[in-house]
Amino acid sequence: GAGVSQSPSNKVTEKGKDVELRCDPISGHTALYWYRQSLGQGLEFLIYFQGNSAPDKSGLPSDRFSAERTGGSVSTLTIQRTQQEDSAVYLCASSSGGTASETQYFGPGTRLLVL
Amino acid sequence: GQNIDQPTEMTATEGAIVQINCTYQTSGFNGLFWYQQHAGEAPTFLSYNVLDGLEEKGRFSSFLSRSKGYSYLLLKELQMKDSASYLCAVPRGGSYIPTFGRGTSLIVHP
Repeated sequence: GAGVSQSPSNKVTEKGKDVELRCDPISGHTALYWYRQSLGQGLEFLIYFQGNSAPDKSGLPSDRFSAERTGGSVSTLTIQRTQQEDSAVYLCASSSGGTASETQYFGPGTRLLVL
Repeated sequence: GQNIDQPTEMTATEGAIVQINCTYQTSGFNGLFWYQQHAGEAPTFLSYNVLDGLEEKGRFSSFLSRSKGYSYLLLKELQMKDSASYLCAVPRGGSYIPTFGRGTSLIVHP
């Protein structure tokens, strides 16, 4: 069956440019998470969507970061005016939603390099 | 706040047993997850514990002590393919958002 997909797989951009990262969750999953993972670091929570509720944006590191989820499915993470410290792997995960015990299914990630 | 600690790196021999520890501090416990992440790949689910005790699943087992804020992942009959990072994660109290530890990089050698 189809898992979580992300695009692009890799993105190289210049400092100051905007980038958009896309996540397609597993069909029917109402919960969607974005994380960032820098080399040798753990997963840093960015934002969480659950159904039609207002997203939890408490992990976004600055106002250059934003995300939306259209139609309760596909999500886009946008980073404006990228900085070199934004270089990391951006991971998306989805779960069926509703309880804290649910397994998260991760996508393969987008490797972002800001030059 | 939330704090999760795990060793940075461990090494073990093929065929041996290894125990990876995780200690946590959280307000409002909602269970503890272990994920496996091979280099360059996404994390995949291994186990979830919400009650005290040992949960066994094939070569992998996970233990939880809520009173001690402590969990471990036990890997038996180690194989080379078990070389990976093992992430401990605890959902924030009153939330479904897990906080992940930095992960323990396990190196299995012949």
